[in-house]
Amino acid sequence: DGGITQSPKYLFRKEGQNVTLSCEQNLNHDAMYWYRQDPGQGLRLIYYSQIVNDFQKGDIAEGYSVSREKKESFPLTVTSAQKNPTAFYLCASSIAGGNTEAFFGQGTRLTVV
Amino acid sequence: GENVEQHPSTLSVQEGDSAVIKCTYSDSASNYFPWYKQELGKGPQLIIDIRSNVGEKKDQRIAVTLNKTAKHFSLHITETQPEDSAVYFCAASPRRALTFGSGTRLQVQP
Repeated sequence: DGGITQSPKYLFRKEGQNVTLSCEQNLNHDAMYWYRQDPGQGLRLIYYSQIVNDFQKGDIAEGYSVSREKKESFPLTVTSAQKNPTAFYLCASSIAGGNTEAFFGQGTRLTVV
Repeated sequence: GENVEQHPSTLSVQEGDSAVIKCTYSDSASNYFPWYKQELGKGPQLIIDIRSNVGEKKDQRIAVTLNKTAKHFSLHITETQPEDSAVYFCAASPRRALTFGSGTRLQVQP
């Protein structure tokens, strides 16, 4: 079954802690993306990667970091520098760049307690 | 960078009526315009998309129109059904990654 898997579905973090969100795809897509969604708002781009070992900042990269060591994996770390990390995080992939269909995972809801 | 505006933010229609959602974009280099449907607690799913060399595209009850000169595109849903109730997002992409509108919550009343 091909698709994008995000884990965990729910995540709780204490203030001051770093946390890593997992995103794996078996679609053989080159490009992967991380978006943040706040209640009642659209999706905002955090980071994207168009090829292994390369990634670019999106519109709201401050307080986040990523790596792309394998084609199928694009983990996102929410660092303690992110001032308001509570949100719904969505990972996506596409076969090439941004002008091809993006497939989304089911999301991770992160809550800072 | 690209900026996408979407209206209305909420839309309530009677079952069987049509629904129209409108978006405008700012970057004339954008050439790909998808529409996504998001159900509560889930990731968005593509329902239809259009490229800049096409003015209109239809898929059963769903259609999208694009006006490149005015930089706007619209989603049309005909014969709405209760299962169409969800949040709909438009997006535009010049190349790097999709930029999304703020979403429209569609409620179809039985």
